[in-house]
Amino acid sequence: DQQVKQNSPSLSVQEGRISILNCDYTNSMFDYFLWYKKYPAEGPTFLISISSIKDKNEDGRFTVFLNKSAKHLSLHIVPSQPGDSAVYFCAASEKGAQKLVFGQGTRLTINP
Amino acid sequence: EAQVTQNPRYLITVTGKKLTVTCSQNMNHEYMSWYRQDPGLGLRQIYYSMNVEVTDKGDVPEGYKVSRKEKRNFPLILESPSPNQTSLYFCASSSFRGGYISNQPQHFGDGTRLSIL
Repeated sequence: DQQVKQNSPSLSVQEGRISILNCDYTNSMFDYFLWYKKYPAEGPTFLISISSIKDKNEDGRFTVFLNKSAKHLSLHIVPSQPGDSAVYFCAASEKGAQKLVFGQGTRLTINP
Repeated sequence: EAQVTQNPRYLITVTGKKLTVTCSQNMNHEYMSWYRQDPGLGLRQIYYSMNVEVTDKGDVPEGYKVSRKEKRNFPLILESPSPNQTSLYFCASSSFRGGYISNQPQHFGDGTRLSIL
């Protein structure tokens, strides 16, 4: 069973507009969430994270929102830039667990 | 430069021929892990290691072995590869904080694409 789900395999956004990537989870024990970005032929790189005690975390153009009651988090990128075109993975972990559970990934394409 | 290095980057081989994918990190991280990435399934953990001589199974360990004899190295061993192990493999490492890795971003290698014919 997929505990972390990214239901949109792909997303296309115009440069300068907002990109919103979504992630749903089923495990109520998850308490830490991360977003990774992956370019072709490279490994994933850490982008931003959020603890379950918060509902928002912001880092420059990137903001992650967490809705625990809905078991949903989203990544907002404003404004979107061509270099943001990549695959984005959502990941989650339980406190004390020594592993991350990843979603399937969403391919974001920023069009000029 | 802080990095996780995997070798080889690409490998085409045949069923049953033992192979090893090496992984090395230069950040003195205690935690290391192997993942495989398959279309529609994301990244799934194969094995992980909390420190030297301490390893444990992830979600998809069948058909794989690992060892952690040195802190910097964490090789992935396929004793008898099969076609269903054709995949893109990533090694990752991270430090601990408070005994947990969950709040520590993992650093990934650039991947190894294995094709088992």
